[in-house]
Amino acid sequence: EDQVTQSPEALRLQEGESSSLNCSYTVSGLRGLFWYRQDPGKGPEFLFTLYSAGEEKEKERLKATLTKKESFLHITAPKPEDSATYLCAVYTGGFKTIFGAGTRLFVKA
Amino acid sequence: DSGVTQTPKHLITATGQRVTLRCSPRSGDLSVYWYQQSLDQGLQFLIQYYNGEERAKGNILERFSAQQFPDLHSELNLSSLELGDSALYFCASSVDTSSGRAADTQYFGPGTRLTVL
Repeated sequence: EDQVTQSPEALRLQEGESSSLNCSYTVSGLRGLFWYRQDPGKGPEFLFTLYSAGEEKEKERLKATLTKKESFLHITAPKPEDSATYLCAVYTGGFKTIFGAGTRLFVKA
Repeated sequence: DSGVTQTPKHLITATGQRVTLRCSPRSGDLSVYWYQQSLDQGLQFLIQYYNGEERAKGNILERFSAQQFPDLHSELNLSSLELGDSALYFCASSVDTSSGRAADTQYFGPGTRLTVL
């Protein structure tokens, strides 16, 4: 069964304290893996799409990496405005999109 | 602003009723996706349309149906509503996920908040 698991469920950081969020997946035929940021009551905001193991992408304080079984979202020197829920999703060979439950990130000044 | 629009923003209705949610994709996007997000379920994929045709189905109930019109906008119809259908409903669009190997980025709209009383 296709499955996406994100950890931790919640993460509390001090401003400037770098960390990583994990997304592990089991899917039949991965077409791509997405990372999104979501603020309460808003639509998910696109961050990255990764297609194959070994791929890395960066944007400001965020860096996403992909292996054959998991993806990491690294946050370097986070700021309070980085507080949000970060969602990982996979697009399968059967054209289905499966989201993880998300990691709620809190960054304190 | 992702370029995906959804109407209405909020909808309040009673159990047993039927509602229609509307989505306009980004200009040039051929695929439309519908998702349900409730507090205890997270984001659940419902259905995807590509250029007017159904491409994939997720956890969509039989009481729910969708279609994509020639101008590429899409509607999600929810009938015989139950209290448990209260949720945020999101639409997303992407350029083209036809026979290509890779996945095109999905851009999400602001959502419709449905409350069933």
